[in-house]
Amino acid sequence: QSVLTQPPSVSAAPGQKVTISCSGSTSNIGNNYVSWYQQLPGTAPKLLIYDNNKRPSGIPDRFSGSKSGTSATLGITGLQTGDEADYYCETWDTSLSAGVFGGGTKLTVL
Amino acid sequence: EVQLVESGGGLVQPGGSLRLSCAASGFTFSNYRMNWVRQAPGKGLEWVSYISTGSTTIYSADSVKGRFTISRDNAKNSLYLQMNSLRAEDTAVYFCAREKGNTLDYWGQGTLVTVSS
Repeated sequence: QSVLTQPPSVSAAPGQKVTISCSGSTSNIGNNYVSWYQQLPGTAPKLLIYDNNKRPSGIPDRFSGSKSGTSATLGITGLQTGDEADYYCETWDTSLSAGVFGGGTKLTVL
Repeated sequence: EVQLVESGGGLVQPGGSLRLSCAASGFTFSNYRMNWVRQAPGKGLEWVSYISTGSTTIYSADSVKGRFTISRDNAKNSLYLQMNSLRAEDTAVYFCAREKGNTLDYWGQGTLVTVSS
């Protein structure tokens, strides 16, 4: 079981919007920044969102992040077939003194 | 261009040892904290270990504590993971990742470790 909880899968049609939730606790999400990573099949993870809601250079504004209390959310608008991937949230857990990931969410663009 | 290239993976018997390396280029390696993250076949990402720029602070996941040791050589722009007492459940692709601020901003392509008799 992962310290951070994500839905195993989400799906939506091309052009639509989807959100992926990430639930934690005060020792992780509640008091630390959240990052989101995209992992396309057979490739290494790629940074999508950092510091809860910031996008690295080159990441389109279709991707957004937010945090409230002990939960974080990744939003993707204008879905494209190329967005089909696994998405992971990540943060630091102060109590564990360890990095923690969500279990991952598989996005299917129908 | 930032590059992280892992090597050293392979097939090892249970109880055996392996040393992974991560060669860094395209940035000042000594200025960045580094991490190892692994992914078992068909599973999610699991954080393994962290090392500070000067190797003074190290953290490791409970699942590898006492068996795996992270280290770095700033003169060689290299990160290492010494893995001892390997178990079947350590079978995974191991990624090295650069830490910037509060995030892992660059990742290597990974190296596969298979623990099997």
